[in-house]
Amino acid sequence: DQQVKQNSPSLSVQEGRISILNCDYTNSMFDYFLWYKKYPAEGPTFLISISSIKDKNEDGRFTVFLNKSAKHLSLHIVPSQPGDSAVYFCAASAEGRDDKIIFGKGTRLHILP
Amino acid sequence: DVKVTQSSRYLVKRTGEKVFLECVQDMDHENMFWYRQDPGLGLRLIYFSYDVKMKEKGDIPEGYSVSREKKERFSLILESASTNQTSMYLCASSVPGQGGEKLFFGSGTQLSVL
Repeated sequence: DQQVKQNSPSLSVQEGRISILNCDYTNSMFDYFLWYKKYPAEGPTFLISISSIKDKNEDGRFTVFLNKSAKHLSLHIVPSQPGDSAVYFCAASAEGRDDKIIFGKGTRLHILP
Repeated sequence: DVKVTQSSRYLVKRTGEKVFLECVQDMDHENMFWYRQDPGLGLRLIYFSYDVKMKEKGDIPEGYSVSREKKERFSLILESASTNQTSMYLCASSVPGQGGEKLFFGSGTQLSVL
């Protein structure tokens, strides 16, 4: 059973507009959430993270929002730029556990000119 | 910057061959991981290691084994390659306790098994 779900396989957004990527999780033990970005033929790179004690974390054009009661997080990119076209993976982990990060299946973001 | 290097970008092997995928990291990270990425399936963990000579199974270990004889090197072994192991293989490393284990990935090895 998927513990981290990205229900939109792809998303197209006009350049300059806001991109919103969504992620749901089922395991209430998760307390760190991360977003990774992946270009074709490259490994994923860390983008932004959020602890469960926060509901928002911002880094430049990227903001992640966490709604613990809904077990939902979202990544906002504003304004969207052509270089943002990539696959975005949502991931979650539980701190202090000898465990591993659980990834979603990814959302492919297309920024349209 | 952390550098995670995978020995091959592209690899073509025959069914039944033994395949070695090598990964080296240069930042003295304790943790190392092997993932595979398939379209529509995302990243799935094969094996991970938290220390030299230590290994733990991930979500899909069947058909794979690993070796970690030195801290900086983590090898993935396909004992007898099969066509369903055609995939993009990604190695990663991290330092434990980094707030959710921020992973540093290599560029990946696209393996085709014919």
